[in-house]
Amino acid sequence: SAVISQKPSRDICQRGTSLTIQCQVDSQVTMMFWYRQQPGQSLTLIATANQGSEATYESGFVIDKFPISRPNLTFSTLTVSNMSPEDSSIYLCSVDGQVYNEQFFGPGTRLTVL
Amino acid sequence: GQQVMQIPQYQHVQEGEDFTTYCNSSTTLSNIQWYKQRPGGHPVFLIQLVKSGEVKKQKRLTFQFGEAKKNSSLHITATQTTDVGTYFCAANAGGTSYGKLTFGQGTILTVHP
Repeated sequence: SAVISQKPSRDICQRGTSLTIQCQVDSQVTMMFWYRQQPGQSLTLIATANQGSEATYESGFVIDKFPISRPNLTFSTLTVSNMSPEDSSIYLCSVDGQVYNEQFFGPGTRLTVL
Repeated sequence: GQQVMQIPQYQHVQEGEDFTTYCNSSTTLSNIQWYKQRPGGHPVFLIQLVKSGEVKKQKRLTFQFGEAKKNSSLHITATQTTDVGTYFCAANAGGTSYGKLTFGQGTILTVHP
């Protein structure tokens, strides 16, 4: 299994600002995913990030709002741009497992926008 | 897009009682995965089911995949307080989107000692 770390673990931000979340994996992985999860709710996929190509965004999510970088096989960032209180959520990165295509999740970043 | 419906949304049980959560899809699934998320934690992979009618067990947990590969269930026998958390099913999109998961709404399990 992969060990994943995320920074920051939590943050409180002012509306209109941007926050970049980092996701670091202890091994090289092909696919990385970014999710959003409201407390008590399910996980909503924001985008899939493969190294060397543009991220693929799900319906309702756009690159201008959630730019993603994937500079190598162990690292990715998600930026939440021009934040509003509606962006308050937990953001999770995950990576594709090697056995079952299961996903291993990072601990999440709890974002509060005031 | 692919959708998986999961019920119930909440389940409160007394310790020792059994618990079941159900996952249904309108389309045939290539496989289905189950995850557990403890309060304040992140989802953790439990198991994957691939074959029609497949049944797998992990101690007190029994996972089933329907014959038509459109539904699945997770059954916990004699719940313990350590079982508390949210249980999600997740369907693999398959095809060119293989690896991408669609999560059910989750069932929040509370176990009263």
